[in-house]
Parts: sequence; C-alpha cells; structure tokens
Amino acid sequence: TQLLEQSPQFLSIQEGENLTVYCNSSSVFSSLQWYRQEPGEGPVLLVTVVTGGEVKKLKRLTFQFGDARKDSSLHITAAQPGDTGLYLCAGEGTSGSRLTFGEGTQLTVNP
Amino acid sequence: GAVVSQHPSWVICKSGTSVKIECRSLDFQATTMFWYRQFPKQSLMLMATSNEGSKATYEQGVEKDKFLINHASLTLSTLTVTSAHPEDSSFYICSAAIDASNQPQHFGDGTRLSIL
Repeated sequence: TQLLEQSPQFLSIQEGENLTVYCNSSSVFSSLQWYRQEPGEGPVLLVTVVTGGEVKKLKRLTFQFGDARKDSSLHITAAQPGDTGLYLCAGEGTSGSRLTFGEGTQLTVNP
Repeated sequence: GAVVSQHPSWVICKSGTSVKIECRSLDFQATTMFWYRQFPKQSLMLMATSNEGSKATYEQGVEKDKFLINHASLTLSTLTVTSAHPEDSSFYICSAAIDASNQPQHFGDGTRLSIL
C-alpha cells in the first residue's frame, strides 16, 4: 500500500505570509496532483506534476516534484484569505489507476 | 471541461433507510468511476472503483453488501448505502475518468449524508 504523508495538518497564518506544504512518501509515483477543496464541495485540481524535479507555477502557488518522484511541495507566496481551504496531494501509482491521497492540510489565512 | 454531477448534494434520513447517490459524467463517457468517503477536516478515502458493466472493486474494510455500487452505463454510477446508521453519516464524493489511464479524475461536488 502506498502512503502519502502530508504536513502540516493544520496551518493558520496572517495575510501576506508565505507557507509551504509538504507531501512525502517512501513510494515512487508516476505523477502527483494537488487539489484544493472548499467545505461542502468536491476537490478541484490545481496542478499535476509528472517529471522528477519538475516545478510548476500557478500565480502565487509554486509546486515542485522531487527528483525521485517520492515527494512534492506546495509553496504559497503572500497568502490571502481567499487561499483558505483544504489542500490535498494525491499520488498516482506506477501501475496507474487509483489515486492515493495525503491526509490534507487545512489552511486558514487570517485578514 | 469535463463535468461530473452528483445528486443529491445533501440528504437527511432516519436510521435504517437506504439512500441512493448518483454520479453522472455530463459531457464525457467514463470508463471508470471512483467513490470516496470523507469525514470532516480529513482526507478522501477510496471506497471502491466502479467499472462500467462489471462488478465494483472494493477497498479493504469496505462492506460491499452495505455500500452497493452499480455502474450500468458509461455516464452513470450509483452508490446505495443500505440500512444506513448514524455512523454512515459522512461526505461521499465520486470521480470519473475519461480513459483507461484513469487520469485525471474529475470530481463531483459531493453528497452530504446525515443519518438521524
């Protein structure tokens, strides 16, 4: 069974601060996805990283896939209250098909 | 973009009732649909993988007789929670994949199930 450890589990910061969320595993993933979920809604895909060492930017969000494809990070610059939500990483196994989700990071950005 | 619709979005019912949740892919055909369960402030836990025209594959610890899955067409999968009890109260989310690679998965907006 592939496991994804996500940290921190909870994060409460002030508007304008920077933060990083980590997703780690002992398993290799063929791709890794990051989602953001609002209360009462399904997760919305933010990005998919596929290549080891890959870095993708989405406005103030920077996503990185580890060289060995076992870990990933999400960095948010100058966080805003609108960034508040549950951030989930999910890895696609090398055999494909199912996604393994991390435990999630509940981010609260206070104005 | 690919849209997945889930219905109902919210249901409250008495203990012992069976509840059916529908998951539809609106603008694409989904070979595979996935059913997840999510408790408050927690992550998504895969319950089962549903393939059109065949039996669903359940994850370890998920009772197949409790959570009945039917994937009768390429655009519809249903999850029936039979004889629901308060401990079955949760947020149920489906996702659908367009092709055999099963990625990316497109998620529905979830169904909040509350059993009294």
